[in-house]
Amino acid sequence: GQQLNQSPQSMFIQEGEDVSMNCTSSSIFNTWLWYKQDPGEGPVLLIALYKAGELTSNGRLTAQFGITRKDSFLNISASIPSDVGIYFCAGQRSGSARQLTFGSGTQLTVLP
Amino acid sequence: SQTIHQWPATLVQPVGSPLSLECTVEGTSNPNLYWYRQAAGRGLQLLFYSVGIGQISSEVPQNLSASRPQDRQFILSSKKLLLSDSGFYLCAWTVLAAYNEQFFGPGTRLTVL
Repeated sequence: GQQLNQSPQSMFIQEGEDVSMNCTSSSIFNTWLWYKQDPGEGPVLLIALYKAGELTSNGRLTAQFGITRKDSFLNISASIPSDVGIYFCAGQRSGSARQLTFGSGTQLTVLP
Repeated sequence: SQTIHQWPATLVQPVGSPLSLECTVEGTSNPNLYWYRQAAGRGLQLLFYSVGIGQISSEVPQNLSASRPQDRQFILSSKKLLLSDSGFYLCAWTVLAAYNEQFFGPGTRLTVL
């Protein structure tokens, strides 16, 4: 099946630092989504991207839909303790079922 | 606004016992519905999806089944649980519109002993 390679698997950063993570695929996606999951809870949608080259921000978060439609990245600027969690990318190809393929996640730890 | 509910929140069941997890969505009509399993806090595996009442598609062969008896109700079941069925089960929905965002419920933590 479809595979999304998400990296890094984990990150330990100091509060105030910027963070960057990315996802790559061997196939083209029509949509890229970025989610954050806190322990014991369901993932929460952060940013949705629908066009190649699109750059979208949500507060301190910025995500881009790669020009080749095979990759996406997420940046977090000036990290704070509540940024801790697992970040997932997800890609969607055309089709009525709107199935998503998820990356394996990036565990982010923010040190005070 | 739309909300999604899952229950129970946590469940501990013995091997060989039956299972029924429920997911309901409010505030929308004719959503696509999805069941995922997440092991050890990483990686979401799509188990089933449904594009309408009574329509179920299975993504992976397994010990589980799904049903959609009503438009906004999605049920995950098993007749006999296995140890490997332990995990965090998430329900998600999306609307049949131009956008593809999926929104997740709070999840059910299942432990099979």
